[in-house]
Amino acid sequence: GENVEQHPSTLSVQEGDSAVIKCTYSDSASNYFPWYKQELGKRPQLIIDIRSNVGEKKDQRIAVTLNKTAKHFSLHITETQPEDSAVYFCAATINFGNEKLTFGTGTRLTIIP
Amino acid sequence: DTGVSQNPRHKITKRGQNVTFRCDPISEHNRLYWYRQTLGQGPEFLTYFQNEAQLEKSRLLSDRFSAERPKGSFSTLEIQRTEQGDSAMYLCASSPLPRAGGGGEQFFGPGTRLTVL
Repeated sequence: GENVEQHPSTLSVQEGDSAVIKCTYSDSASNYFPWYKQELGKRPQLIIDIRSNVGEKKDQRIAVTLNKTAKHFSLHITETQPEDSAVYFCAATINFGNEKLTFGTGTRLTIIP
Repeated sequence: DTGVSQNPRHKITKRGQNVTFRCDPISEHNRLYWYRQTLGQGPEFLTYFQNEAQLEKSRLLSDRFSAERPKGSFSTLEIQRTEQGDSAMYLCASSPLPRAGGGGEQFFGPGTRLTVL
């Protein structure tokens, strides 16, 4: 089955700097890669996703890149703000396939004011 | 609120008791998923439905666990003879059907936190 690894497990950045979280996946059939933000005690919130026919996608301060050959995908947050502090999870699945999301182990991002 | 809802939000039970959780998905979503999340980990897939059909079950879903979606709308997850290892957050998600170029995005409910004493 699919295995998703996520690094780093914790990340602290100064407010205004950029943060990058990286994930690798094992199943070359995976074709849909969402990112979720989870604040303490709250539901995972879908913040951005990318499909295998696209190399990069951007939404305001958040961008995601995908390298299908290397089976890597990354989340980039620019101009970080205190409200970006949360745990971020990457995930992978096969749309039109088994559909279940396999999650990484999470990155706790702390923005230092 | 038109998002995914779950009830109860918290459940404390004694070992050996049965518990049942409910999930109400976003109304137009055909698919409904159950995941389990323990502290410090990402959610783990348990099972999913397309309309009323249960299409896949994880090996994590022992025979003490059963899920239903009888009319293709809300779903219930029952755990029989609970064990302390069942303590976790049980998350429900729903999604529209995938389609060429889109769809399949999963939106999560707030979860039911189960504590087994």
